[in-house]
Amino acid sequence: KQEVTQIPAALSVPEGENLVLNCSFTDSAIYNLQWFRQDPGKGLTSLLLIQSSQREQTSGRLNASLDKSSGRSTLYIAASQPGDSATYLCAAVTGNQFYFGTGTSLTVIP
Amino acid sequence: NAGVTQTPKFRILKIGQSMTLQCTQDMNHNYMYWYRQDPGMGLKLIYYSVGAGITDKGEVPNGYNVSRSTTEDFPLRLELAAPSQTSVYFCASSTNTGELFFGEGSRLTVL
Repeated sequence: KQEVTQIPAALSVPEGENLVLNCSFTDSAIYNLQWFRQDPGKGLTSLLLIQSSQREQTSGRLNASLDKSSGRSTLYIAASQPGDSATYLCAAVTGNQFYFGTGTSLTVIP
Repeated sequence: NAGVTQTPKFRILKIGQSMTLQCTQDMNHNYMYWYRQDPGMGLKLIYYSVGAGITDKGEVPNGYNVSRSTTEDFPLRLELAAPSQTSVYFCASSTNTGELFFGEGSRLTVL
């Protein structure tokens, strides 16, 4: 069974800092890797989707990379802002199943 | 763009009561999912469906039932509610290329 791990569980950084969130998965035979953002009491919002044939995807200040051979994905956030404070989850897609990590709770301090 | 819509957003049940969480999507997605999210435990798959008339159990199906009579709707039924079913429930749908979209969630408390 696919297992997805996100480390660290929590991260606190000063505003303006660049940061990297990590996502590891055990089965490299994934179809996609998707990153989500969850604000307290809200649903999950899709940030970036990386298909298995791709190495990275970018959206504004966000860049996600995928290395299937090592079972890793990273989410890079440039010039962090207080509005980036949220929990970030990754999901590895195998077949028609999505396997989620438990998330990294990010706090950006003004 | 409605996307995935869940109702109700909040509900309090007494032990032994039953209820249905509604989920509808307007994106014509074949794949739909029900997850529950408990603090520190991540998302657990309850049931999923690959198309109208087809459903299958996920990781934690006990105490729940689903149906999928149309492409748009995927209701989740809780029978004989128990305190262990206190959770936040998320419905989601995905494209055929594996991109997942979530509803806003339904927060259920069983007392």
